[in-house]
Amino acid sequence: DAGVIQSPRHEVTEMGQEVTLRCKPISGHDYLFWYRQTMMRGLELLIYFNNNVPIDDSGMPEDRFSAKMPNASFSTLKIQPSEPRDSAVYFCASASGSGETQYFGPGTRLLVL
Amino acid sequence: AQSVAQPEDQVNVAEGNPLTVKCTYSVSGNPYLFWYVQYPNRGLQFLLKYITGDNLVKGSYGFEAEFNKSQTSFHLKKPSALVSDSALYFCAVRAPGDSWGKLQFGAGTQVVVTP
Repeated sequence: DAGVIQSPRHEVTEMGQEVTLRCKPISGHDYLFWYRQTMMRGLELLIYFNNNVPIDDSGMPEDRFSAKMPNASFSTLKIQPSEPRDSAVYFCASASGSGETQYFGPGTRLLVL
Repeated sequence: AQSVAQPEDQVNVAEGNPLTVKCTYSVSGNPYLFWYVQYPNRGLQFLLKYITGDNLVKGSYGFEAEFNKSQTSFHLKKPSALVSDSALYFCAVRAPGDSWGKLQFGAGTQVVVTP
């Protein structure tokens, strides 16, 4: 299995631009998670989906952030407009059924100038 | 609300020596506890978990962890550390009844194993 796939791996953009991060979960997994990792705040859960439906988005920082999962094999996390404080590593993870184990992608390193 | 603490920012150990990474938790009820490892420029990888049953849990790469309810701890251990074990280790907890996917991660402990 290819594991969780994220793209792009690195993104550098200017403040005010729209940023779209993409994730392909492991085939057959019905849970998908978006996390953000920074030195200051550690690893934070932003949102997670079950069977393509958002279950908990309480970690989404503000309205500039949005996430979608149009089908079982694809999800996006969008930031519009981006700000320098959004600079972080964004991870996508997936899990199956009632299993508690989450499988993480390699992350997208975002730098907003 | 649940929380998890990793009291050490960094642990230094010589190769071949025992390795312990500490984790304590605060949660109502019986917790679900996890350890993940993150190598440089990689995503987190699952090591082991405690849900119920035997307090000693064995995981990947020779790691094990012991659930201690009285001390509310879940320390990660390895009898003989390898240089390749150098990485960032995260403890995570989920309280029973919480939203299934909502793990609370600790701040992480950097492990440095010297040859």
